[in-house]
Amino acid sequence: KAGVTQTPRYLIKTRGQQVTLSCSPISGHRSVSWYQQTPGQGLQFLFEYFSETQRNKGNFPGRFSGRQFSNSRSEMNVSTLELGDSALYLCASSSTEQGSEAFFGQGTRLTVV
Amino acid sequence: AQTVTQSQPEMSVQEAETVTLSCTYDTSESNYYLFWYKQPPSRQMILVIRQEAYKQQNATENRFSVNFQKAAKSFSLKISDSQLGDTAMYFCASRTFGNEKLTFGTGTRLTIIP
Repeated sequence: KAGVTQTPRYLIKTRGQQVTLSCSPISGHRSVSWYQQTPGQGLQFLFEYFSETQRNKGNFPGRFSGRQFSNSRSEMNVSTLELGDSALYLCASSSTEQGSEAFFGQGTRLTVV
Repeated sequence: AQTVTQSQPEMSVQEAETVTLSCTYDTSESNYYLFWYKQPPSRQMILVIRQEAYKQQNATENRFSVNFQKAAKSFSLKISDSQLGDTAMYFCASRTFGNEKLTFGTGTRLTIIP
């Protein structure tokens, strides 16, 4: 069974640009969550999608958005990039069965210059 | 809201020794899960062990075991016979039933010394 796949692995963008990150969950998993990891703030929850609907959202500005497709693949978008958006963005998928664990991808390292 | 606290930013231990990582949490929920995740330099978060709050018995997975003290809201991880491959960041996390959102602690960087 293939794991969670995130693309791209590395990305360098300029302030003011926008970026789209992609996450393909484990086959059969319908829930996809996104996290931002930085040295200063640690791991912070961005949002969770289930069956193409955002079910939960963290405390991030509206520049951060996401969506989920019918095949459960998810994308997150950050518009008007700021230097502080430089981070490792992690995606996790789960089956949402009671007690199921979240499986993480290897992340996308975004650097904003 | 849930909070998770890890008070040990860094720890190191000799290979083959036993080490315990601390974690405390706070939640108003009665049904929740607790996890320990490992993040090696490859960056991929890997589940080490999990505990359902309604279970009194402490979870164990081979060399990894937890000491779950529900009343004290404490959830420590014990690694026995530590190996070089155990070198990583370790994160304690919680989530409530029916909610996929994980709340993480700040992590403990564990180094196993040969």
